[in-house]
Amino acid sequence: GQQLNQSPQSMFIQEGEDVSMNCTSSSIFNTWLWYKQDPGEGPVLLIALYKAGELTSNGRLTAQFGITRKDSFLNISASIPSDVGIYFCAGQLQAGSARQLTFGSGTQLTVLP
Amino acid sequence: GAVVSQHPSWVICKSGTSVKIECRSLDFQATTMFWYRQFPKQSLMLMATSNEGSKATYEQGVEKDKFLINHASLTLSTLTVTSAHPEDSSFYICSAPWLAAADEQFFGPGTRLTVL
Repeated sequence: GQQLNQSPQSMFIQEGEDVSMNCTSSSIFNTWLWYKQDPGEGPVLLIALYKAGELTSNGRLTAQFGITRKDSFLNISASIPSDVGIYFCAGQLQAGSARQLTFGSGTQLTVLP
Repeated sequence: GAVVSQHPSWVICKSGTSVKIECRSLDFQATTMFWYRQFPKQSLMLMATSNEGSKATYEQGVEKDKFLINHASLTLSTLTVTSAHPEDSSFYICSAPWLAAADEQFFGPGTRLTVL
């Protein structure tokens, strides 16, 4: 299946630093979602974006839905050790009753104490 | 928020045997569920869309006869890996959209399948 271009692939940062990651696509999506996955577990939804240009925050997380509807970014401010994990963007097209997600390749985040 | 469970959480089987994985939406109904496969250090790849009361829709390259999907009720979908081989070893994850939350998809905890 199709994948989104997500970057960076991995990041090593110091605790307290801010983090930014982004996803781009050649296709337009109606919804952008950001998930976090811990080892051996399923993805957990962090933020959902529904409108082009929308900027949404969830605690220390901020995400934006690009104006072109082909990109999105996620920022994490003042990182802490529990932020470690893999972050995935996902684009969603609404075609009839199907709500299929197309996932990015993931960003592995490591927070150093 | 909505909860999706999977059973078993991990399974080890011999090559040639079949394995059934269950996906349940615990506090909401899901007419559609999705099955994903994830290899180590890779992203989630959609395998099929499970539809309650009708046949599943498979993604290109996914063998229908090998990965049998049955959406038995509005809260249960099963994935059966038939005649499993070592290359089928992977992390299988299901998800379900929650209509009350603007169709936000909630994922199960995943099932780790190891075929010896």
